[in-house]
Amino acid sequence: EIVLTQSPGTLSLSPGERATLSCRASQSVSSYLAWYQQRPGQAPRLLIYGASSGATGIPDRFSGSGSGTDFTLTISRLEPEDFAVYYCQQYSNSLTFGGGTKVEIK
Amino acid sequence: QVQLQQSGPGLVKPSQTLSLTCAISGDSISSNSAAWNWIRESPSRGLEWLGRTYYRSKWYNDYAVSVKSRITINPDTSKNQFSLLLNSVTPEDTAIYYCVRGPAAFDIWGQGTMVTVSS
Repeated sequence: EIVLTQSPGTLSLSPGERATLSCRASQSVSSYLAWYQQRPGQAPRLLIYGASSGATGIPDRFSGSGSGTDFTLTISRLEPEDFAVYYCQQYSNSLTFGGGTKVEIK
Repeated sequence: QVQLQQSGPGLVKPSQTLSLTCAISGDSISSNSAAWNWIRESPSRGLEWLGRTYYRSKWYNDYAVSVKSRITINPDTSKNQFSLLLNSVTPEDTAIYYCVRGPAAFDIWGQGTMVTVSS
């Protein structure tokens, strides 16, 4: 099973700041990686697929990069609604999720 | 737009079978490009993919190794829905269960059903 490790566990930032989230795979997943946002009490929402393609309706302040084993989700300027938990997910070999990064208000 | 509507009980007794249904609107269960998944979320296990059913000239199922001996996912083309059966449940199966559209990245999620396994 491919294990995804997300870091940091918690990111404390202010609105308007830039957020950089990391996801590392235990073996190469090529570009078969997605990112999700989950707000409290809601289902996850797809942000990015194929490591860098934005899902429908996602603001362009969200961007993804990386391939192989190292991936990054960047939020260029945090809006109040962006404070949430973010998960990465690989679909190269079966389907597994990372443990999540919580972006909280500093 | 595509929507998934889940139904089923929120409380299941240990050793019994958990049963949930997901009704699809705005898409077809028999789509040649989609796959229909069940995912659960719990504090101890995080987000865990359980399995999927999909149609590519015939029906296929894939299941996670962790639940493979206990799970069945069935499509129902007459009602455009699919179901989850998880047998021999224990308290460790307590979680929020989601039905989700794939096939790989998950773009449409159901509202979630909190299922508690308790006597």
